[in-house]
Amino acid sequence: DAGVIQSPRHEVTEMGQEVTLRCKPISGHNSLFWYRQTMMRGLELLIYFNNNVPIDDSGMPEDRFSAKMPNASFSTLKIQPSEPRDSAVYFCASSSGFLQPQHFGDGTRLSIL
Amino acid sequence: SQQGEEDPQALSIQEGENATMNCSYKTSINNLQWYRQNSGRGLVHLILIRSNEREKHSGRLRVTLDTSKKSSSLLITASRAADTASYFCATGGNEKLTFGTGTRLTIIP
Repeated sequence: DAGVIQSPRHEVTEMGQEVTLRCKPISGHNSLFWYRQTMMRGLELLIYFNNNVPIDDSGMPEDRFSAKMPNASFSTLKIQPSEPRDSAVYFCASSSGFLQPQHFGDGTRLSIL
Repeated sequence: SQQGEEDPQALSIQEGENATMNCSYKTSINNLQWYRQNSGRGLVHLILIRSNEREKHSGRLRVTLDTSKKSSSLLITASRAADTASYFCATGGNEKLTFGTGTRLTIIP
């Protein structure tokens, strides 16, 4: 079975540009999570959706970040405008519900110059 | 903010030895999970233990949970080179998980 698919795997762009990260969760999973991983702050939950509805976005750092889940098989995380401090690895994960494991994609390594 | 703190931060052992990692957390939890992360990859779920369980096994993995001390341990027996990775505990009261800082495990062949 296909796992969580993220694209792109790597993104290098200049400060001020819009960045869009994409995620396809595992089919049948109804929860989707966006995380950011850095050396300084570790793995942080940014936002999670249940049945395509945002449930908790308290981890979204500021208004420059937005996330959408237009349907059960696709989600985006957008940063506009991007800043160098946004450089990190961004992970998407999905699960089939409470007390179920989260399945992670291989992440998008984002570098903002 | 991170709730879980793993100890040690880094661990190097010879292949075949056992590896033990500890996790401490601060608030009440419903469940605790352990994940592994290989370099450049996403996290992989290893095991989940509920707050009313004290010990759980899965293959060469053994996890204990002490809710009175707010701590958990992960034991990997008969370590292999392929076990080289970072290991994270994650605590949850609901579907949301909070990950710890991780233990970097290196298995020396």
